[in-house]
Amino acid sequence: KAGVTQTPRYLIKTRGQQVTLSCSPISGHRSVSWYQQTPGQGLQFLFEYFSETQRNKGNFPGRFSGRQFSNSRSEMNVSTLELGDSALYLCASRPGTAQDTDTQYFGPGTRLTVL
Amino acid sequence: GQNIDQPTEMTATEGAIVQINCTYQTSGFNGLFWYQQHAGEAPTFLSYNVLDGLEEKGRFSSFLSRSKGYSYLLLKELQMKDSASYLCAVRGRSGGSYIPTFGRGTSLIVHP
Repeated sequence: KAGVTQTPRYLIKTRGQQVTLSCSPISGHRSVSWYQQTPGQGLQFLFEYFSETQRNKGNFPGRFSGRQFSNSRSEMNVSTLELGDSALYLCASRPGTAQDTDTQYFGPGTRLTVL
Repeated sequence: GQNIDQPTEMTATEGAIVQINCTYQTSGFNGLFWYQQHAGEAPTFLSYNVLDGLEEKGRFSSFLSRSKGYSYLLLKELQMKDSASYLCAVRGRSGGSYIPTFGRGTSLIVHP
């Protein structure tokens, strides 16, 4: 079974631009979560999608948004990029049949650098 | 809000046992997770506790005391490959959402 895949793996953007990251979950998984990881703040939860609906949301500004498609693939968008958005963006999937206990599988991440 | 505390760094000897502690404060506790993350790689799931007690899984065990807001990860028969960062995460309520909050991670160095 293929794991979680994320594209692109590396991305360089300039301040003010916008970016879209993509995540394909493990086949059969319906829940996709997004995280931001930085050396200063550690791993922080952005949001979770389940069956095309945002189910949980972390404390990030509205510049960070996401969506999920009917095939469970998910995209995350960051608008008006700031230098502080430079980070590793991780996507994780789980079956979603039980919200509280499913093991979560992480993808390799997208390394975003904002210049 | 939610707060997670764990030691920044620990060192141990190959073949030994190490215990990594995690204390937390959260509202609406809904589970505690441990992840392992090697440098440059994504986190991998190790364990999940939602009830008090010990969960054993091979060389790794995790303990939870909800009344004390305390958990530990126990690694036995340490191997060099266990050198990694270990992340404690707690799921709790924030507004209308269940949000996982991660600790900053404990960097474990295993030496011969």
